[in-house]
Amino acid sequence: EVQLVESGGGLIQPGGSLRLSCAASGFTVSSDYMTWVRQAPGKGLEWVSGFYSGGRTFYADSVKGRYTISRDDSKNALYLQMNSLRAEDTAIYYCARPMTGTNWFDSWGQGALVTVSS
Amino acid sequence: DIQMTQSPSSVSASVGDRVIITCRASQGIRSWLAWYQQKPGKAPKLLIYAASSLQSGVPSRFSGSGSGTDFTLTISSLHPEDFATYYCQQANSFPITFGQGTRLEIK
Repeated sequence: EVQLVESGGGLIQPGGSLRLSCAASGFTVSSDYMTWVRQAPGKGLEWVSGFYSGGRTFYADSVKGRYTISRDDSKNALYLQMNSLRAEDTAIYYCARPMTGTNWFDSWGQGALVTVSS
Repeated sequence: DIQMTQSPSSVSASVGDRVIITCRASQGIRSWLAWYQQKPGKAPKLLIYAASSLQSGVPSRFSGSGSGTDFTLTISSLHPEDFATYYCQQANSFPITFGQGTRLEIK
């Protein structure tokens, strides 16, 4: 059974940094695309970043240059390093795995809440 | 970036009603569209992918159609558990984008 468990969320001051982790089980992250999707309180879904075959990475314009997605195959985990955080980055961050070779997200974690506030 | 616009933003309906939600892309995305259902406090759930393919385990009362720029999600006969927020998502090009959501409420 596929399982994704996010961790690392919390309260951080504007300008600060945080790293989210996504522990995967039931599959190997090295063989699949992996993504992060966020949802601000009471708002809709926003795709944040994706890690694709060949090590290709993509980012939403809103986080480009501030966020870095990475993967540790030995730990079967996905990460999101978030720097220069802003109030508008406050959201639940979901780790999501698409159906193989696609961008249809059929497996999701429970989410990690990141709150950026002074 | 491709903008996804859903309508209506919210809809009230009764159990047994047929509901149609539409999603329009700002440029053609062929059939690269998915629909998700999200309930409060839960992660989204994939319902439909490739515009009209039903995800495994999703009831057949859900169906999707469309291609190019205009798409629809139809729920043929509402069940109590269908009251939720629905999102469309395009996977034609990066950045991947979602619609703003349609909240389906009990009348």
